Amino acid sequence: ETGVTQTPRHLVMGMTNKKSLKCEQHLGHNAMYWYKQSAKKPLELMFVYSLEERVENNSVPSRFSPECPNSSHLFLHLHTLQPEDSALYLCASSALYRNNSPLHFGNGTRLTVT
Amino acid sequence: DAKTTQPPSMDCAEGRAANLPCNHSTISGNEYVYWYRQIHSQGPQYIIHGLKNNETNEMASLIITEDRKSSTLILPHATLRDTAVYYCIVRSLIQTGANNLFFGTGTRLTVIP
Repeated sequence: ETGVTQTPRHLVMGMTNKKSLKCEQHLGHNAMYWYKQSAKKPLELMFVYSLEERVENNSVPSRFSPECPNSSHLFLHLHTLQPEDSALYLCASSALYRNNSPLHFGNGTRLTVT
Repeated sequence: DAKTTQPPSMDCAEGRAANLPCNHSTISGNEYVYWYRQIHSQGPQYIIHGLKNNETNEMASLIITEDRKSSTLILPHATLRDTAVYYCIVRSLIQTGANNLFFGTGTRLTVIP
């Protein structure tokens, strides 16, 4: 148990579907992150939220839309995805204003786009 | 952030110490060294971090050279459950707010029975 819970663990969706990934942290953190991990590639930082405000969008296509309604919850809304978007999507959280605060990761959502 | 270089893979016999090296020759004075690992089908797990002094916790020890250009993560008695990809990351201290970490390709450690 990492304190960061991601649902669903697995998701299969067609290219015309709309779905959402959910992340919830129980660690009292106030920064949250989305990472993407494709096969044979390093983790890629997608989005960063600090105190519910998006502070970084790492050139992510608009078919990925994040939402952070409060400091404990983070969503990634998906629409009209491509097969190459199939990957493991990881959520993480950390404490702000503690410059060496480590990231705590969930176990990810394995997404397959057909 | 300073770039890190790690060997792509290593093997270690079960019960022996696993020593994982990391080069970060361009590290600056305010950058910490972090280590994470990722076991198959799980998210990355924080192991340890340090600035210039050696550090030890219940999982591992971190040895940083005096010039800070390299470090070694030591798992004192490797078990089969330590088989994972180990990431060495360098991150600046001067970061108010979020603590973005950029992961490289890491070292795949295989613990052999």
